[in-house]
Amino acid sequence: AQSVSQHNHHVILSEAASLELGCNYSYGGTVNLFWYVQYPGQHLQLLLKYFSGDPLVKGIKGFEAEFIKSKFSFNLRKPSVQWSDTAEYFCAVRTGGSYIPTFGRGTSLIVHP
Amino acid sequence: DADVTQTPRNRITKTGKRIMLECSQTKGHDRMYWYRQDPGLGLRLIYYSFDVKDINKGEISDGYSVSRQAQAKFSLSLESAIPNQTALYFCATSGSRGSSYNEQFFGPGTRLTVL
Repeated sequence: AQSVSQHNHHVILSEAASLELGCNYSYGGTVNLFWYVQYPGQHLQLLLKYFSGDPLVKGIKGFEAEFIKSKFSFNLRKPSVQWSDTAEYFCAVRTGGSYIPTFGRGTSLIVHP
Repeated sequence: DADVTQTPRNRITKTGKRIMLECSQTKGHDRMYWYRQDPGLGLRLIYYSFDVKDINKGEISDGYSVSRQAQAKFSLSLESAIPNQTALYFCATSGSRGSSYNEQFFGPGTRLTVL
């Protein structure tokens, strides 16, 4: 069974710091990759997704992620975080043989003003 | 815009009670899902349905049942609630074609507390 690992469980940054959240998966075939964000008290919403093509994907709110197939990774980045980026971030992976994505355990990001 | 709605939003109940959580969607999606979220455990799939006549167990279906009353409605039941079912429950939908293919859209969640 596929698995999704998010290495950073809790991240605390100051505003304007750069962000990189790790996501690794275990499946070796075709994958669809997602990052979702959950702001405090709200539901999950899609930040960005990768299906094919350019491995550098740009999403909403200045976020981007890079798919590195050789490393089975899809790390999320933002060059300069804001207090409003405080949220929980989930990586999800859907493999070619399944219609159901597997979610990582999430990373809690706190940005201090 | 409330494309995916869940009722109730909060519920406190006692051990042994039967509880139903409801989900409705106006996105026209054929696929619907129920997840529970626990701190540090992320989202875990309870049940999913790809069509009105299709119901499938997820990784943690024990103690839960579902009903797909229509394409737009997918209910989750706890026949006899227990305290370790205290969690945040999310309904999600996805389309099987077009631009929303494989992207999930989540409802606002139901916070359930079982005493």
